[in-house]
Amino acid sequence: GAGVSQSPSNKVTEKGKDVELRCDPISGHTALYWYRQSLGQGLEFLIYFQGNSAPDKSGLPSDRFSAERTGGSVSTLTIQRTQQEDSAVYLCASLAQAAQNHYGYTFGSGTRLTVV
Amino acid sequence: GENVEQHPSTLSVQEGDSAVIKCTYSDSASNYFPWYKQELGKRPQLIIDIRSNVGEKKDQRIAVTLNKTAKHFSLHITETQPEDSAVYFCAAAFSGSARQLTFGSGTQLTVLP
Repeated sequence: GAGVSQSPSNKVTEKGKDVELRCDPISGHTALYWYRQSLGQGLEFLIYFQGNSAPDKSGLPSDRFSAERTGGSVSTLTIQRTQQEDSAVYLCASLAQAAQNHYGYTFGSGTRLTVV
Repeated sequence: GENVEQHPSTLSVQEGDSAVIKCTYSDSASNYFPWYKQELGKRPQLIIDIRSNVGEKKDQRIAVTLNKTAKHFSLHITETQPEDSAVYFCAAAFSGSARQLTFGSGTQLTVLP
């Protein structure tokens, strides 16, 4: 596609439920990142996928969070047993392989998650 | 790992004045420094970036400066306009490995008409 697509754009869920957030990166982009942006805060790194390499999960805040990337394209971020503090905008970004000369992320529009 | 500090957290300027946002980084290996603009309810968008082999880069009313020795870089917006009002994020990374950007905490810029 022309840009990074995320779905759903908004999600309201009850505390304790599981949620899945989807990211469809720009075609051909090998690197994919998930960030979390809490209200009025900066962008907190969650997880990074690069090609077929093992993902860098160092930013995941707890074991309730997991992510996968199937076929090197679409990624799904799963939050199990959601808590109110998980409420945030979850942003996905992708990056082309040629990181040496171009490093600008393209962000998706995000998923606004509200846990009630 | 990298740590990026950004100041100020909020900035109000009169239309036509200049705005300056400053960031410091901790990892001397970082060599790529982008700036993102995020309008209310929208995605962050890259507005300008600089690599460590240059000290300054300009694009119309926007400029970024980098001091590698002091490990700080700044965004300068001249002749500000109301549409410049947004949250601005600085970031740093080592571009050689496509590893993740580390972002500053953001600056809410308000341009008063």
